[in-house]
Amino acid sequence: GAVVSQHPSWVICKSGTSVKIECRSLDFQATTMFWYRQFPKQSLMLMATSNEGSKATYEQGVEKDKFLINHASLTLSTLTVTSAHPEDSSFYICSAGSRRAYEQYFGPGTRLTVT
Amino acid sequence: QKEVEQNSGPLSVPEGAIASLNCTYSDRGSQSFFWYRQYSGKSPELIMFIYSNGDKEDGRFTAQLNKASQYVSLLIRDSQPSDSATYLCAVNPGANNLFFGTGTRLTVIP
Repeated sequence: GAVVSQHPSWVICKSGTSVKIECRSLDFQATTMFWYRQFPKQSLMLMATSNEGSKATYEQGVEKDKFLINHASLTLSTLTVTSAHPEDSSFYICSAGSRRAYEQYFGPGTRLTVT
Repeated sequence: QKEVEQNSGPLSVPEGAIASLNCTYSDRGSQSFFWYRQYSGKSPELIMFIYSNGDKEDGRFTAQLNKASQYVSLLIRDSQPSDSATYLCAVNPGANNLFFGTGTRLTVIP
């Protein structure tokens, strides 16, 4: 149980374009989903927390107008990187909280490269 | 400031030995603690969680928690080369999110 999928697993886009990443909990309902970013050789950095049906809560320093998060259902959250720039190139990982929301199960990650 | 500290390593142990990974945290009100394993280029995988003081064993893994000392550790017995990865300590301060340490890179030498 507790399987989380992400799509796509990797994406290359041109500077200025937008990219949407999907995160799905496959075998449980996740009222809370989390979006992280990880640069090479660094730890996970929480970007935002999203609760189903409400606006996401962004961490300090994360631009909410650039990283759009939608949590439309109990099994799907999306992260859209708008007007991507090379510095947005990173490994983006979502996680879903189980019934005990502090137990988080991670998706396989999406590697974004902006050229 | 909710900080989680780990020695970045690398920690090298011979195959079959016990690997000991340590983590300290600053928020005394933290309630639950997690160990994740992350292979290079992959996302973290939950190994164990612990809520109460003492030891919790699961196969070759033992998590140890000492809330008075604000210290949590992970022991890996009979280490295997496949255990080579970065191990992330995560702490839940009582809200819905987790605070992660920077991870300790473990190398098990065959």
